[in-house]
Amino acid sequence: GQNIDQPTEMTATEGAIVQINCTYQTSGFNGLFWYQQHAGEAPTFLSYNVLDGLEEKGRFSSFLSRSKGYSYLLLKELQMKDSASYLCAAHGSGNTGKLIFGQGTTLQVKP
Amino acid sequence: DVKVTQSSRYLVKRTGEKVFLECVQDMDHENMFWYRQDPGLGLRLIYFSYDVKMKEKGDIPEGYSVSREKKERFSLILESASTNQTSMYLCASSLVWGLAEISPLATDTQYFGPGTRLTVL
Repeated sequence: GQNIDQPTEMTATEGAIVQINCTYQTSGFNGLFWYQQHAGEAPTFLSYNVLDGLEEKGRFSSFLSRSKGYSYLLLKELQMKDSASYLCAAHGSGNTGKLIFGQGTTLQVKP
Repeated sequence: DVKVTQSSRYLVKRTGEKVFLECVQDMDHENMFWYRQDPGLGLRLIYFSYDVKMKEKGDIPEGYSVSREKKERFSLILESASTNQTSMYLCASSLVWGLAEISPLATDTQYFGPGTRLTVL
């Protein structure tokens, strides 16, 4: 079967670093997306990892290990506005453009 | 910038009504998707379309149908709305798949509309 797992909730302090993990099992795998979704808003694209390794983009970095079926999103220098849900999504099923989403991790940043 | 719009942000309907949710994208994307999002369940794919007049069932198609008569527009239809269809509905689009000369980032990234919060009474 196809499955994406990520923690439901996390809490962190402003200025700190937080790592949100995601494990996946898919039939076929092309890449791994991370989206950010603020309450009541649409998901917005953060990152897409196709190859193994760490990709850094400002305060946000994303890591992928294809052999382990594992990814994480690293948020540095946390700000209050980073309080949101973070969705992990695998591009798995052949060449149809479909994504398989995890249920999302709600991150609360406290002062 | 890619823009995906949905016809309504909030909608209230009665059980048994036929409901149309419209989605329009302005970037000439081939792929369009309809999801519903419920607490604790995440985003679940209802239907998707990879070309005009083409459609494929997602993970939870029961009780829904879709229409794609024009490339830019993808409609979700609830033939007879039920209370268990109360949810947030999100439309998304992505460029295309299978073109080796375009990067996966460009082809595979899905862009979402603002969502329609549907309540069925």
